Amino acid sequence: EAGVAQSPRYKIIEKRQSVAFWCNPISGHATLYWYQQILGQGPKLLIQFQNNGVVDDSQLPKDRFSAERLKGVDSTLKIQPAKLEDSAVYLCASSSPGGLAGLGELFFGEGSRLTVL
Amino acid sequence: GEDVEQSLFLSVREGDSSVINCTYTDSSSTYLYWYKQEPGAGLQLLTYIFSNMDMKQDQRLTVLLNKKDKHLSLRIADTQTGDSAIYFCAESIPDSWGKFQFGAGTQVVVTP
Repeated sequence: EAGVAQSPRYKIIEKRQSVAFWCNPISGHATLYWYQQILGQGPKLLIQFQNNGVVDDSQLPKDRFSAERLKGVDSTLKIQPAKLEDSAVYLCASSSPGGLAGLGELFFGEGSRLTVL
Repeated sequence: GEDVEQSLFLSVREGDSSVINCTYTDSSSTYLYWYKQEPGAGLQLLTYIFSNMDMKQDQRLTVLLNKKDKHLSLRIADTQTGDSAIYFCAESIPDSWGKFQFGAGTQVVVTP
């Protein structure tokens, strides 16, 4: 079974530029999450999708961050314009309803590391 | 700051036992988890424990839960070099589904 795919793995941009990250969850997983992991900290939830609907985006800085999951499969996370404090690893995760999701069975991708100069 | 707290670093010799500690704040958490993150990789669920349990054993892993003190620990017996990683403690957020609060992670370095 293929895992959660993310791209790009690494991105370096200057502040005020824009960047987009892509995630392809495990096939059949209805729930998709974007987490931000700043160096030395644990992952922080940015947004959670159930199919193509948003379940929780309360911690997403909506003035600069946006995310979509138009067909309920792939998702993109965009930052525009980027700030220095956005330097982090952006982790995508997915889970399957009826599986162990309520018990913590999130499947994470390898992450996209963003450096903002 | 983090609601889930962990020590940041642990050095252990190969073959010894490792103990990673965690404190959490929400007494209504239903499940508590340990995730492992190897260099350049995403997080993988290592084990979990229900809040009505006080111990769970899975091969070399032992999870202890002290609900009164909101303290969770992970013991790794016979630590191997492949156990070198960052270990995250996490709690489920009550009244949510699939939402977790993660600690900052404990980096475990296993030396020969």
